[in-house]
Amino acid sequence: GQQLNQSPQSMFIQEGEDVSMNCTSSSIFNTWLWYKQDPGEGPVLLIALYKAGELTSNGRLTAQFGITRKDSFLNISASIPSDVGIYFCAGQVGAGGTSYGKLTFGQGTILTVHP
Amino acid sequence: EAGVTQFPSHSVIEKGQTVTLRCDPISGHDNLYWYRRVMGKEIKFLLHFVKESKQDESGMPNNRFLAERTGGTYSTLKVQPAELEDSGVYFCASSHGQGGSNEQFFGPGTRLTVL
Repeated sequence: GQQLNQSPQSMFIQEGEDVSMNCTSSSIFNTWLWYKQDPGEGPVLLIALYKAGELTSNGRLTAQFGITRKDSFLNISASIPSDVGIYFCAGQVGAGGTSYGKLTFGQGTILTVHP
Repeated sequence: EAGVTQFPSHSVIEKGQTVTLRCDPISGHDNLYWYRRVMGKEIKFLLHFVKESKQDESGMPNNRFLAERTGGTYSTLKVQPAELEDSGVYFCASSHGQGGSNEQFFGPGTRLTVL
């Protein structure tokens, strides 16, 4: 089946540093999503990308949908302690923000931010 | 508006026993999804309901798993008999459908431990 390879597996950074994580796939996805999971909670959507090459920002978060449609990255600038959590990339075969199909997730990146 | 709720939050059972997990989606959401995360790995899709119908059950591991959504509201996922490898966190998600937003909202998950 389809698989997403997410890296790095974990990151330990100082408050104020920038963070970058990425996902690659052997097959094409037409929608890329980035989620964050806090302890004891379910994943929450951070950014959705619907078009190859699209670069989207949400506050200190920036994500890009790769031109090949097989990769995506997420950057967090000027990290703060509340950025701690697990970040997941997810791909969806459906396109244009109208698909209701399943999500394929990466393995997650555990982010620790030291004050 | 209440989010997706799941019950129980934790369940510890012995191998061979039966467990039933419940998910209440956001009111009015036609799409309901079940996912599972085994320790340290990716979140994997199990199945997708549209109202009371199974749209996609390609991720169900085997016939020990039975999902239902009678009446198109809440859903249950029964594991019978449970095996050690069934341990993990089971997430439920819902999305609106019918031309509305396709964002999947996740519940907090049920942590299942099979001893």
